[in-house]
Amino acid sequence: GQSLEQPSEVTAVEGAIVQINCTYQTSGFYGLSWYQQHDGGAPTFLSYNGLDGLEETGRFSSFLSRSDSYGYLLLQELQMKDSASYFCAVKSQAGTALIFGKGTTLSVSS
Amino acid sequence: EAQVTQNPRYLITVTGKKLTVTCSQNMNHEYMSWYRQDPGLGLRQIYYSMNVEVTDKGDVPEGYKVSRKEKRNFPLILESPSPNQTSLYFCASSTGVKNIQYFGAGTRLSVL
Repeated sequence: GQSLEQPSEVTAVEGAIVQINCTYQTSGFYGLSWYQQHDGGAPTFLSYNGLDGLEETGRFSSFLSRSDSYGYLLLQELQMKDSASYFCAVKSQAGTALIFGKGTTLSVSS
Repeated sequence: EAQVTQNPRYLITVTGKKLTVTCSQNMNHEYMSWYRQDPGLGLRQIYYSMNVEVTDKGDVPEGYKVSRKEKRNFPLILESPSPNQTSLYFCASSTGVKNIQYFGAGTRLSVL
């Protein structure tokens, strides 16, 4: 079967750096994405990696290693508003919907 | 404003009473999808559509139907809802290589 594994919960303090890992096992691979979802809201796109390496978007960075079937989301200078759930997602076949991990709940405290 | 619109946002119904959740997007995206979200299970795909009249099953299609007669609309139909379909449903549209999903605000469904 196809699966994505990520930690269920992560806690950190304001100003810190946190890394959320994602390992995947899928029949194909067309890219790894990250989504953020606040309580009661819709998921919103954060980042995409189609090739190996680091992608940086402001305080957020995402990394991919296709040979290791592994990626991570790095959040720097954490703020209270970053408290949310974070999902990794893989496009396993061309022209299909994404396969999502079960999500990581990030709690940022002051 | 580019958006995906789902209706209704909240729905309480009874077992066996057919219902439809509508989804419409104004971004001219080819791909549209339906997901359900349950605690501890993340987002699971129900159905997706690559274009008009082209639909395919996702991971949890049982008990659901979809149709894509127009590019902008992708309704989700529950012919005979059951309590195990109580969930939070999201519609999404996407396009391009990155397949970035643009989600609607969600529909919270309770089947009694």
